[in-house]
Amino acid sequence: DVKVTQSSRYLVKRTGEKVFLECVQDMDHENMFWYRQDPGLGLRLIYFSYDVKMKEKGDIPEGYSVSREKKERFSLILESASTNQTSMYLCASSLWMTDSSYNSPLHFGNGTRLTVT
Amino acid sequence: GNSVTQMEGPVTLSEEAFLTINCTYTATGYPSLFWYVQYPGEGLQLLLKATKADDKGSNKGFEATYRKETTSFHLEKGSVQVSDSAVYFCALSGDMRFGAGTRLTVKP
Repeated sequence: DVKVTQSSRYLVKRTGEKVFLECVQDMDHENMFWYRQDPGLGLRLIYFSYDVKMKEKGDIPEGYSVSREKKERFSLILESASTNQTSMYLCASSLWMTDSSYNSPLHFGNGTRLTVT
Repeated sequence: GNSVTQMEGPVTLSEEAFLTINCTYTATGYPSLFWYVQYPGEGLQLLLKATKADDKGSNKGFEATYRKETTSFHLEKGSVQVSDSAVYFCALSGDMRFGAGTRLTVKP
């Protein structure tokens, strides 16, 4: 089974701190994703990556950046944490999708609940 | 762009009741459609999928049929159990957009 591991389950940070959320997958997947999950808003895509050193903005990239130096690791960075970034963050990975076959499901980690005070 | 509209919850049912959670989509091309489930304290996991029109995905007693004519992918189960209590998400392949999620609570 694919395993997606997020480094922290719970994290508490102060406003203005630089925060790193780490995600590692063990199945050699090309694609990796970061979402945040908020009540009533479902999952919103922050950033995704189709390959090492590649990144694409999702729907809500403001206030975030990402890093993908190795295929198995995808980091989400909050440059200066703010209270409105308090949320559940979910990482996911999937196989590479061809133009004609968008059918690869996502495999999710268990999430990191971040609280910014 | 692509989008998914999902029935709002929460939904509360008694054990053995029939479940339907509605999902409609807007997409260009022919995406695959997915239902994911999130049990308390866990990440999302794939429940079922369908890759083309009229396909039926099924798993753990849940079913959903890919209806291109109505752009829908409704989730159904004939007899829910307490252990089905979770949040259910409908999703499109491609750019990986999700619905808002529907929280299901099943009471004994």
